[in-house]
Order: sequence, then structure tokens, then C-alpha cells
Amino acid sequence: ETGVTQTPRHLVMGMTNKKSLKCEQHLGHNAMYWYKQSAKKPLELMFVYNFKEQTENNSVPSRFSPECPNSSHLFLHLHTLQPEDSALYLCASSQDTGGANVLTFGAGSRLTVL
Amino acid sequence: GQNIDQPTEMTATEGAIVQINCTYQTSGFNGLFWYQQHAGEAPTFLSYNVLDGLEEKGRFSSFLSRSKGYSYLLLKELQMKDSASYLCAVRDGNYQLIWGAGTKLIIKP
Repeated sequence: ETGVTQTPRHLVMGMTNKKSLKCEQHLGHNAMYWYKQSAKKPLELMFVYNFKEQTENNSVPSRFSPECPNSSHLFLHLHTLQPEDSALYLCASSQDTGGANVLTFGAGSRLTVL
Repeated sequence: GQNIDQPTEMTATEGAIVQINCTYQTSGFNGLFWYQQHAGEAPTFLSYNVLDGLEEKGRFSSFLSRSKGYSYLLLKELQMKDSASYLCAVRDGNYQLIWGAGTKLIIKP
């Protein structure tokens, strides 16, 4: 496979569940990102990893927990979420984090919290 | 604060030309990106401008005026497959990407 792959594509969970989103990239990129996309709102950056080190955490609630075991894989662990967390969660990667670096996105994981 | 403005929705006719505007107010500037996102799919890169002027790529062109904080994406010879959301994003002085809310483009036959 090439590009950025996200699983699952759709997820429904209750507020007391624990689940994880997975992202994998086969582009040899060094930076990986989690974004939240809600209808008619700008993309919200959640976390950035560069060379496996977390470089940004944009005041994200602790019920979202990222994990980057290597430069090809990124996880977002979810627990005790709220209905307002329902959104499309996009993973992206880039060569690194500066300048003209283009982000390559996955197709997203559509999360519904009941 | 930092802000990107673009129209929420636009409608155009197949075969015509459409211009999607993006204005920005950011702390510093290190480039402007346009992405296309079809419903249920990943955003995909269209263009990058860092200097003033027009960049052309086939049916798509992107223009930048840094002094005016303004860019537009021009789509020519519109096709039905161009129906999508178009996202404008600016890399600010700290190299953070600031995103607009996107413009949904509807193409009618």
C-alpha cells in the first residue's frame, strides 16, 4: 500500500468505551499529525510528532491520548469521550514540519459518540 | 488572532470558470496552500504559493498577493468531478498551518 491509511473508517462508541484509531504511512515521512474535522469548521490540529517525538499538543483534552511507536505508525487512543467529540479524525504525514512541506492525508476515521 | 476567510459555498456550471477567494490575517507568512477534499475522502494537495503571482497547473491556477493578504484558486473548464470542498491554509511566521473552513463547490450540468 502507498499513502496514508487510517482504520477504522467508521466508529461508533459509547461515552464509557475505550477505542483506538490507527494511522499508517508508507511514504518515508518523518512527521505525522492528528487533525479533527467538524462540519463547516477549520481543521483543528490536535497533535504533531516529528521523528517520533511529540512536538505539539494543542490543548487537547486528556481523553485523547496519542501514541507514535515509530515514524510509520500513529495511534489515537480514545476513552470516556463526549458527544461533542463526534467528528472526522484525519491523520496526515509530511517529510518534516517546516516551510513548503505538503501534508498527505488519510481518508479519515468518522467517529460517532453516543 | 489569526484568521482565514473563504466563502462557505459556491455554485458554478459545467464548462465554466470559477474563482474561489481566500483572505488571511496571520502573524507572519511562510506560504499558502490549497487542498481539494471530495466528500468522504482525504484532502489532497493542489497548489502552493510563497511568492506573489500566478501559478498554473493545467485547469487549476492559484494566485497570491502577500501585501493584500489574498489568494484565489481559479478552476477552468469545470467538470462534474470538480464538485468538492476547497481548503485554503497559510503557514504563519512560526510555521504553523492555519486553515480556513473550506469552500464547498457545487457544479451543475
